[in-house]
Amino acid sequence: EPEVTQTPSHQVTQMGQEVILRCVPISNHLYFYWYRQILGQKVEFLVSFYNNEISEKSEIFDDQFSVERPDGSNFTLKIRSTKLEDSAMYFCASRTGTRSTGELFFGEGSRLTVL
Amino acid sequence: AQRVTQPEKLLSVFKGAPVELKCNYSYSGSPELFWYVQYSRQRLQLLLRHISRESIKGFTADLNKGETSFHLKKPFAQEEDSAMYYCALMGVGNQFYFGTGTSLTVIP
Repeated sequence: EPEVTQTPSHQVTQMGQEVILRCVPISNHLYFYWYRQILGQKVEFLVSFYNNEISEKSEIFDDQFSVERPDGSNFTLKIRSTKLEDSAMYFCASRTGTRSTGELFFGEGSRLTVL
Repeated sequence: AQRVTQPEKLLSVFKGAPVELKCNYSYSGSPELFWYVQYSRQRLQLLLRHISRESIKGFTADLNKGETSFHLKKPFAQEEDSAMYYCALMGVGNQFYFGTGTSLTVIP
């Protein structure tokens, strides 16, 4: 069964460093998402991406964040200058373009630890 | 504005007891609602969606538009049901809104 895959599974970085989290969505999916989950807290929406552009973003997704689909398969989240409060689990998700089968498929997540 | 509310952060029940995880939503259009589950150290995965009206692992959820609720129920809880449960709403722009989640613990 196809899965969303994410790398790395865990990254430790120093505050102020740039981080790129990578995701390979399911191949025939059209909508891509990034969510984050701070330890012990809820799953929070960051950004959605469709047709090679951001379709919606949350207040969390400020200028320090960017997303890209560089090669038609990968979907990356970049944090330019990490802060301590960026420490969280970051989940990538994808879904088909059909609203009636709107299931989100999630990756296993990338745990980011900012020191 | 779209919103999903799960009033219980923690819920503990004994094995074999009925369980109900509450979810209320706010949405001006015709909602599409989902329950996602996150078992320990696993990814979020779909448990069920209201549109299919199916029962998965003994869980059911009925959309009540009058009460704007989509509560998740199971008549007899099992230990393997212990997990984090998220109610989610698919709103405009194909955006998903998640509730804060309910951590269910089934006591043996």
